[in-house]
Amino acid sequence: QKEVEQDPGPLSVPEGAIVSLNCTYSNSAFQYFMWYRQYSRKGPELLMYTYSSGNKEDGRFTAQVDKSSKYISLFIRDSQPSDSATYLCAMSRNNAGNMLTFGGGTRLMVKP
Amino acid sequence: ETGVTQSPTHLIKTRGQQVTLRCSSQSGHNTVSWYQQALGQGPQFIFQYYREEENGRGNFPPRFSGLQFPNYSSELNVNALELDDSALYLCASSSDRAPPLHFGNGTRLTVT
Repeated sequence: QKEVEQDPGPLSVPEGAIVSLNCTYSNSAFQYFMWYRQYSRKGPELLMYTYSSGNKEDGRFTAQVDKSSKYISLFIRDSQPSDSATYLCAMSRNNAGNMLTFGGGTRLMVKP
Repeated sequence: ETGVTQSPTHLIKTRGQQVTLRCSSQSGHNTVSWYQQALGQGPQFIFQYYREEENGRGNFPPRFSGLQFPNYSSELNVNALELDDSALYLCASSSDRAPPLHFGNGTRLTVT
C-alpha cells in the first residue's frame, strides 16, 4: 500500500463547477501538506501549502487538512478550462527537509 | 524573482551511458532537491543538497549522485543508464531545507 493515495481520474466537470480533489495518507507523522498543479510537459506548480490541520483559502482554491482522518482536500470554485491539468498532493514530516511524498496525481478536465 | 531553471529540456541516451542534468535554484533558495517522475506517476524523491552536501536520500542506488555549488546550483549525475531511468527529472528549491518547494520544468530523459 502506498503512503499517499490519490484517485487518478480522469475527473471531468463542466465549466463553473466546484471541484473536489482528495488524498488519503497512512503516515501520521506528516505535518506539511501541499497541492501542486502540473500541466502537460511542465513541472509541478505550487498552489497551496498548509502546516498541520485546518483550512486555507487563496482565491478560488481552498485546501483542507483533517489529520484525525488522514485526509486532505483541495476545492476549486468556479472551475475554468485553464484549470485542466493533473493535480498532485504532497506531504512531508517535520525535519524531513525537501523529502516530499507525492500522490500519483488526479487528472482534471474542465469542459467549456 | 527568477524561478528554478533546468537544462537541457530533453535528452536521449543509450543504455550504459552516463548523463549530467543541471539546475539553477530560485533566487534566495539554498536547498536543492531532485525528483524522478515516471510517466503517469507522482514524483519520487532522489536526494537533497544543502550547503553543498547531500542531506537526505530516497530509495535510489548509488549510481545516482549529485553536486551542489556555492551559488546553490546543482547537478544530477546518473551512471550506467538503464531503460527504467527514462523519466522526467525535476529539480526543486526551497529555503533552509523546509517546504514549500518550487519546481523547475524538468529534463525529459529517454534511455534507448
